[in-house]
This record gives sequence, structure tokens and C-alpha cells, in this order.
Amino acid sequence: EAGVAQSPRYKIIEKRQSVAFWCNPISGHATLYWYQQILGQGPKLLIQFQNNGVVDDSQLPKDRFSAERLKGVDSTLKIQPAKLEDSAVYLCASHRGAAVGTYEQYFGPGTRLTVT
Amino acid sequence: AQKVTQAQTEISVVEKEDVTLDCVYETRDTTYYLFWYKQPPSGELVFLIRRNSFDEQNEISGRYSWNFQKSTSSFNFTITASQVVDSAVYFCALSEGYNNNDMRFGAGTRLTVKP
Repeated sequence: EAGVAQSPRYKIIEKRQSVAFWCNPISGHATLYWYQQILGQGPKLLIQFQNNGVVDDSQLPKDRFSAERLKGVDSTLKIQPAKLEDSAVYLCASHRGAAVGTYEQYFGPGTRLTVT
Repeated sequence: AQKVTQAQTEISVVEKEDVTLDCVYETRDTTYYLFWYKQPPSGELVFLIRRNSFDEQNEISGRYSWNFQKSTSSFNFTITASQVVDSAVYFCALSEGYNNNDMRFGAGTRLTVKP
């Protein structure tokens, strides 16, 4: 079974530029998450989708971050415009259920973003 | 609010030593889930274990074991006879409620196992 795919693996941009990350979850997984992991910290949930609907985006900085999951499969996370503090690893995860307590989450390798 | 504390920022051991990674959590819910994940240098988080709040039985999986104690709000992780391949950052995480998907992670413990 193929794992969670993410691209690009690395991205370097200047502040105020825009950037987009792509995630393809494991086939058949209904729930998809985007996490932000700042160096030296644990991942922090940004947004959760179930199929193509948003379940929780309470921690997503909506003035600059946006995400979509068209057709309930792959997803894109965008930052526009980027700030220095957005430098982090962006992790995508998926699981086949509806509740995190029921099934384990599978994580992708992440996209390391550096904003200069 | 839920919170997870991993007080050990870094641990270094020599191969074959046993090592315990501490995790202390805070929650007001009676239903919650605890997790451990491993993050090797490749960056991908690897699921190790999930435990619900109603199951306090300790678990052993090969060289890994977990000690869940509700009385002290701790969910500690022990690696027996550590190996170089165990070197990674280990995260403890907590999710409150059955349908709550906000999994809060601790800051992680970086384990280095030297040959």
C-alpha cells in the first residue's frame, strides 16, 4: 500500500511570496489533516478534512493560509503572502475513519518551507 | 485545555541500554486517547501506539513497552536494549473525546543511541 505522498519536499521562498503544497493521502482514506511543525516543536493541527468538507480549521491563520480538498482525494495548502514565522515543516496525514481515536494517522514525509 | 509535557528534551544512551521517555498529560475529559509517534531523520512520523483512557493495561511490543498511569497522568515509553536505529525524535500526543480530532503533541524527546 502506497503511503501519504507530499510535494515538494523542500521549498525556499522570500517573504511576501506565495507557496503551495500538495498532498495525496492513502487510497480510501476519508480524513486528511495538515499540520505545521516548527523546528523543535511537535506538530500543530492546521486543518482537517473529511472527504471534501472541512471539519476543523480553527487553528488555520485564514488571513494568509488556505486549503482545499477537491473531489475528496488530494489536497493543496497555500500560503499567501508568506511570513518569516511560516518557516516550518508542513505535514499531511490521513486515516480511514472519522475520529482520530479510532484509527491511526499515517503521515507523509512533509514539506520543509524556508522563508527568507 | 489539553496539554502534553515531555520534560526530556534530549536523551543520549549507549546501545543495549534501556531508556524511558516520559510523557505527562493534562485533560478534563474522562474520555481521551494517548499516542506515541516516532520521527526518524527522514521526517515521517511513524505511529507506535494508541491507548484510550479506559484501558490502563500496560503494553509490550517487542523491545517497546508503555506504562499508562491515570493516577499520575503519565504515559511513559520504555525501549529495552536500545539500538542505533532507535535514534529519532519521539512524540507523545493527546486527543480528548471520542470524536475530537485535535491531536495535541508534546514538544518531543530526541533520543540518540550511540554504538
